[in-house]
Amino acid sequence: GEDVEQSLFLSVREGDSSVINCTYTDSSSTYLYWYKQEPGAGLQLLTYIFSNMDMKQDQRLTVLLNKKDKHLSLRIADTQTGDSAIYFCAESIYNSGGYQKVTFGTGTKLQVIP
Amino acid sequence: DSGVTQTPKHLITATGQRVTLRCSPRSGDLSVYWYQQSLDQGLQFLIQYYNGEERAKGNILERFSAQQFPDLHSELNLSSLELGDSALYFCASSLRGLTSGYDEQFFGPGTRLTVL
Repeated sequence: GEDVEQSLFLSVREGDSSVINCTYTDSSSTYLYWYKQEPGAGLQLLTYIFSNMDMKQDQRLTVLLNKKDKHLSLRIADTQTGDSAIYFCAESIYNSGGYQKVTFGTGTKLQVIP
Repeated sequence: DSGVTQTPKHLITATGQRVTLRCSPRSGDLSVYWYQQSLDQGLQFLIQYYNGEERAKGNILERFSAQQFPDLHSELNLSSLELGDSALYFCASSLRGLTSGYDEQFFGPGTRLTVL
């Protein structure tokens, strides 16, 4: 079955690296995503990784995927106050109808302390 | 700006009432998705439409219904409202309805529903 879990809260100092973790249960995931939700706004896709990749880097963002442990992480280098938001991980899985179903985690609230 | 619009932004109503939330997808996107975000439940998938047809159902209550019109906009109808229905309701759209390959969902800004 699909279940995506994240820790609820993370606090870091400005300039430090942030690491947000996510675990999922379905090993047949096709894509895994990281979304950012700023206060009062909708979700915005930050990055995604295909399930046959181990790592993806995009400027300050690094995504690591450990398929054996079903663990996904998002590292934000040089965290800024503008990075304060809720971060959701999500996985997509093909269902019996041939369509992908996306399941979201509970979200991790990142607080950046100046 | 994702290109997905939702109206109204805020809605305050009483228990037992019925409301309609509206969503216009990004230009060219054929599929719309509705999600409910509450404090204790995270982001829950409700329902998906593709080119006017229902494609997938999630944790949608029987008191809730949705449809996608020929111009591809969608409406989510919530009836017999309860206090627990207070939440943020998001609409998202994508091009291919999550069929094959990578298909990004673009989220609207949400409608905040408060049931008193």
